[in-house]
Amino acid sequence: DGGITQSPKYLFRKEGQNVTLSCEQNLNHDAMYWYRQDPGQGLRLIYYSQIVNDFQKGDIAEGYSVSREKKESFPLTVTSAQKNPTAFYLCASSVDINLSGNTIYFGEGSWLTVV
Amino acid sequence: KQEVTQIPAALSVPEGENLVLNCSFTDSAIYNLQWFRQDPGKGLTSLLLIQSSQREQTSGRLNASLDKSSGRSTLYIAASQPGDSATYLCALGGSNYKLTFGKGTLLTVNP
Repeated sequence: DGGITQSPKYLFRKEGQNVTLSCEQNLNHDAMYWYRQDPGQGLRLIYYSQIVNDFQKGDIAEGYSVSREKKESFPLTVTSAQKNPTAFYLCASSVDINLSGNTIYFGEGSWLTVV
Repeated sequence: KQEVTQIPAALSVPEGENLVLNCSFTDSAIYNLQWFRQDPGKGLTSLLLIQSSQREQTSGRLNASLDKSSGRSTLYIAASQPGDSATYLCALGGSNYKLTFGKGTLLTVNP
């Protein structure tokens, strides 16, 4: 089935650790995104990528890093510099960056908790 | 800066009732507006996409309207069912990549 796969579903991070969330899509989409969702809040954009080997900061990029070495993959690393990382993380993709005409598709999300 | 407000924050209705969810926004310079559904602990599913030049879109029991001049959109759900229970989010497309989301309305449809 075509879609977006995020893993792991649940992840626990100790203070001072870096953790990486995986996002894989088989939709042949050029554009990919990472959003953060806090309870009762809307989604906020962390990073986005228009095409392979390119990515740009979103509204809340501090403490996060990404890579886009393959079209299908857009992993997100939550670094120790992110002081409040506990949240629900959503990966998304679209045919291209032009969301004015394209639907955006979301993965099932990953829960990150700091312990 | 675009601000998106969804009212009510939560809504509980009996099965079969018709209902309206509201979304208001401050900047009318938008490309489109989308309505999404989110089940607990899950990702978002796109329900309806309205381009800025359109007034409404329909899919099955769902109808979404857009009034840019007043900065409002509504999502109308006809003959609600327990399976419609979820959080509904609206998002404004203001540039190529940028979506601004509301906080959502948590809908519960009681059997």
